[in-house]
Amino acid sequence: DAEITQSPRHKITETGRQVTLACHQTWNHNNMFWYRQDLGHGLRLIHYSYGVHDTNKGEVSDGYSVSRSNTEDLPLTLESAASSQTSVYFCASSGPSGYNEQFFGPGTRLTVL
Amino acid sequence: KNQVEQSPQSLIILEGKNCTLQCNYTVSPFSNLRWYKQDTGRGPVSLTIMTFSENTKSNGRYTATLDADTKQSSLHITASQLSDSASYICVVSAHGSSNTGKLIFGQGTTLQVKP
Repeated sequence: DAEITQSPRHKITETGRQVTLACHQTWNHNNMFWYRQDLGHGLRLIHYSYGVHDTNKGEVSDGYSVSRSNTEDLPLTLESAASSQTSVYFCASSGPSGYNEQFFGPGTRLTVL
Repeated sequence: KNQVEQSPQSLIILEGKNCTLQCNYTVSPFSNLRWYKQDTGRGPVSLTIMTFSENTKSNGRYTATLDADTKQSSLHITASQLSDSASYICVVSAHGSSNTGKLIFGQGTTLQVKP
């Protein structure tokens, strides 16, 4: 069965370190998204990609970057982790239409000390 | 500004009872509205999706309604079960983002079903 996975599921890091969160989907979807979820906020879009070599900034992109070298993977990098980036991160993928369902991964809980 | 607001913020009901969750949105132009269920420690899972022309859609014991004129939606859960305990998120897609999949999320309603 097709799926979307994230790794690691839990990560603790220190302020200033570079961190990369992995996202891998086997749906063969062109669209992939990264969100963060914090108490008091709905899911907020960090970055998204419509296909290989395409990346776009979302509403909370500062301090994050992504790259898309193949269809299956969209890794999220925190260049220099900050305590404000402590959050739960979700990756999602969907087909080309905005009517298509977005399938979410299980999430990565990141703590920045 | 495109916004999605949900009420109540949290809700506790007894097993077997019905409940209704509310969603108001100011997203324009509207494309579609979705309800997601998010279990603790997991990613959201889609329950229903409705376009402008649809005013009701069911998925088992879950029934979503949409009034595009008043920009309101509701999710009705019938004969609740303990497994319904979760966060329910209303999500709206704006027209023009239809070919991008970009979504606007509400903050969610946390439902707790007690035995």
